[in-house]
Amino acid sequence: DIVMTQSPDSLAVSLGERATINCKSSQSVLNSSNNKNSLAWYQQKPGQPPKLLIYWASTRESGVPDRLSGSGSGTDFTLTISSLQAEDVAVYYCQQYYNTPQTFGQGTKLEIK
Amino acid sequence: QITLKESGPTLVKPTQTLTLTCTFSGFSLSPSAVGVGWIRQPPGKTLEWLAVVYWNDDKRYSPFLKNRLTITKDTSKNQVLLTMTNMDPVDTATYFCAHRQTLTKPFDYWGQGTLVTVSS
Repeated sequence: DIVMTQSPDSLAVSLGERATINCKSSQSVLNSSNNKNSLAWYQQKPGQPPKLLIYWASTRESGVPDRLSGSGSGTDFTLTISSLQAEDVAVYYCQQYYNTPQTFGQGTKLEIK
Repeated sequence: QITLKESGPTLVKPTQTLTLTCTFSGFSLSPSAVGVGWIRQPPGKTLEWLAVVYWNDDKRYSPFLKNRLTITKDTSKNQVLLTMTNMDPVDTATYFCAHRQTLTKPFDYWGQGTLVTVSS
């Protein structure tokens, strides 16, 4: 299985400031057939299912604000929120869908400082 | 509009078999490059991918749980079923079903989830 490791486990950022969450995979998730990284980011708020934010490492899902962005390739990836808003408080997960079983990171809890 | 909803027992006893149903609308599992999968989340923990079935009846399972899981689809009813045998308290979790447009996106639509507690 590909192990996904996120850092940090929790993060407190002031409103309007930048938040950065990292995700590292135990092996490359670069898909040679399309030269895209099979890496997704999800946001989960209490009592809700995960919401897809980013896929192919950097493609924003429809309706996701452009202050959220994804980057990285191979084994190292980053989710950046450029200017933290109150509604961004949540747990964020990275996921690889390169192979089976698709695996998730342990989650990063984002709070307001 | 794509929606999914999980249903099934909220409480099962150890050693029993769990059967969950995912009823969906807004898409068809036949014929289109679509899959429906199951993911679970123990209280306060991360997400665990369990299984997926695709439009062509291709099925994939978590290797860790493969001998306990069966996923099936009923295209006429717009349903996907997940069966898990020999339930244990560590299987207590919220179980989600989710939609995937194959080869383009990971799971993009999720049900609200159903909490299953395993206890005697």
